Parts: sequence; structure tokens; C-alpha cells
Amino acid sequence: AQSVAQPEDQVNVAEGNPLTVKCTYSVSGNPYLFWYVQYPNRGLQFLLKYITGDNLVKGSYGFEAEFNKSQTSFHLKKPSALVSDSALYFCAVRDPIAGNNRKLIWGLGTSLAVNP
Amino acid sequence: DSGVTQTPKHLITATGQRVTLRCSPRSGDLSVYWYQQSLDQGLQFLIQYYNGEERAKGNILERFSAQQFPDLHSELNLSSLELGDSALYFCASSAGGAYNEQFFGPGTRLTVL
Repeated sequence: AQSVAQPEDQVNVAEGNPLTVKCTYSVSGNPYLFWYVQYPNRGLQFLLKYITGDNLVKGSYGFEAEFNKSQTSFHLKKPSALVSDSALYFCAVRDPIAGNNRKLIWGLGTSLAVNP
Repeated sequence: DSGVTQTPKHLITATGQRVTLRCSPRSGDLSVYWYQQSLDQGLQFLIQYYNGEERAKGNILERFSAQQFPDLHSELNLSSLELGDSALYFCASSAGGAYNEQFFGPGTRLTVL
């Protein structure tokens, strides 16, 4: 069965330090992977995705993520965190060969707090 | 601005009532998705429509129903409302392919008293 896990409910990091938000997945085929961000009282916004090709994907606001097939992970990273990055981050996965069951599977979200 | 609009922004109603939430997708997007977000359940996928047809179903209660109209706007109907239905309801749209990202509306905050 398809699943996605965000093992940390909350991540705290100091402004200017690198940040990592973790995501691991389980699908039967090659996954399509997505990261979204939700700022307070707003809808989710797309950050980046991995479909195929280069394992390092660059996205909006200086974020990037690395697809690691052997570890079934797709961790979100940023070299230098900003206070304005504080938000809720969601990882999502879709198995493109799951037939009619191709809905996006969402993680529970990780709350990122960047301290000044 | 994602290009997805949702109305109303806020809705306050009583238990047992019925409400309709409306969503207009981004121009050109054929897929519409509905989600429920609450503090205790997180983000729950409810249902997806593609060009008027139901495409995928998630954790949608039998008291809830949705449809997508020929102009591609969608409505989510919630009936026999319970206190536990209080949540943020998001609509998202996409071009429809499995590799396409979803664009989310600002949400409707439903409060059931």
C-alpha cells in the first residue's frame, strides 16, 4: 500500500542555519513526490516536485529536495533558514502505475519554527 | 494568488443543517479536489473530479457529496452537520495528469455550533 511518513511533528532551527524536513515513502512503482507549504490561515502552496531525472530538485523560495531511491526518502532542505519560512510543510506521494488508485497520499505535516 | 477561488470564506451553522461550499478552479484546470483539514485529523483527501466525472474517492462521509459542473466549478455539499464537521475545507485544482501539482484555494472555514 502507498504511504508517506513525516517522522517529525515539529522542527526547530535558528535563523541562518540549514534546515531539513524529512519525508519517507512507500509505493510499488517509481514515485511522483511533492512538497507543499502552508502558512498560517492560508491554503497550501506547491514548493517542488520530483517526477524523473536529476535526484536534486530545486523549488520556490530557495528550497530543494533530494530523491533517494535506496532510502525511499525525499527530504526538503534549505541552506539558510529565514524566520518567514516558519510554516507547516507537507510531503505527498503518488504511485503513477497504481491504476485507478492514483490519488495523492499526504503526510501528516511537519511544523517548522525558525527562531530569530 | 493561486487562481483557485472558494466561497464563502467563513460559514457558521447549527448541527443538523446542510451547507454548500463552492470552488472555481484555475483557468484551464480540469481536475478539482476537495480536502478537509482539522486539528485532530490533519489534511484529509475527500474526493476528486476530472472534467465532470468522479475520479478518486478518499475519506468522504456518506453525508457529504460533491459534483463538478460543465463550467468546471465544483460544489461540496455537507448535510446533517455534526460538531465534528467543523474544519477548514480546501479545494484544489490541477491540469489532471498524475505528475501535475495541485493549486489550493484559500479555504472555507466551517463552524458547526
